[in-house]
Amino acid sequence: NAGVMQNPRHLVRRRGQEARLRCSPMKGHSHVYWYRQLPEEGLKFMVYLQKENIIDESGMPKERFSAEFPKEGPSILRIQQVVRGDSAAYFCASSPQRQPEAFFGQGTRLTVV
Amino acid sequence: KNQVEQSPQSLIILEGKNCTLQCNYTVSPFSNLRWYKQDTGRGPVSLTIMTFSENTKSNGRYTATLDADTKQSSLHITASQLSDSASYICVVIALSNDYKLSFGAGTTVTVRA
Repeated sequence: NAGVMQNPRHLVRRRGQEARLRCSPMKGHSHVYWYRQLPEEGLKFMVYLQKENIIDESGMPKERFSAEFPKEGPSILRIQQVVRGDSAAYFCASSPQRQPEAFFGQGTRLTVV
Repeated sequence: KNQVEQSPQSLIILEGKNCTLQCNYTVSPFSNLRWYKQDTGRGPVSLTIMTFSENTKSNGRYTATLDADTKQSSLHITASQLSDSASYICVVIALSNDYKLSFGAGTTVTVRA
């Protein structure tokens, strides 16, 4: 069991570019959660997806951010027109049921220059 | 105001010594409380999970306690090792939104030889 896989581990983007972060859940897990961790702060919930559906996106900025979890393939967190304030570590977790289990990916560290 | 407050923000201990980390929360009613260990540059890894009816839970040298009346939890590390150097995060899950984790900002523990 490879665990939750996130890629890339590190991503550098210039202001205005797009960032695409990928999360492959553990085998058999159909629930995915994305979190953002700003420097010196705790993780903050962004969005909860279940195969092909967004269940709760209340923690995600309404502009420039979007997430999907297609029937086939990884979950994608997409940030358009990145700004310096988007620099953070983005973690995803997956679970086989609604309540998130304890399985987090290693995170993607986004740096906007 | 964060619903999960941790103290101290950081601490330094000598190898072999014990330490206790504190977590106060306002999330209510809650489903369960978790302690995670996050190594630098890695994703959080679960140490303990406690429901509201549990008072204590151990995982090797880690022992978590919970007082649901005062809404406090602690994590005790016994006979610390260099590998215990990490951030320890208290997480509370509300009964209402049972998929939405509320994270503390973490306590950074540094173990010195």
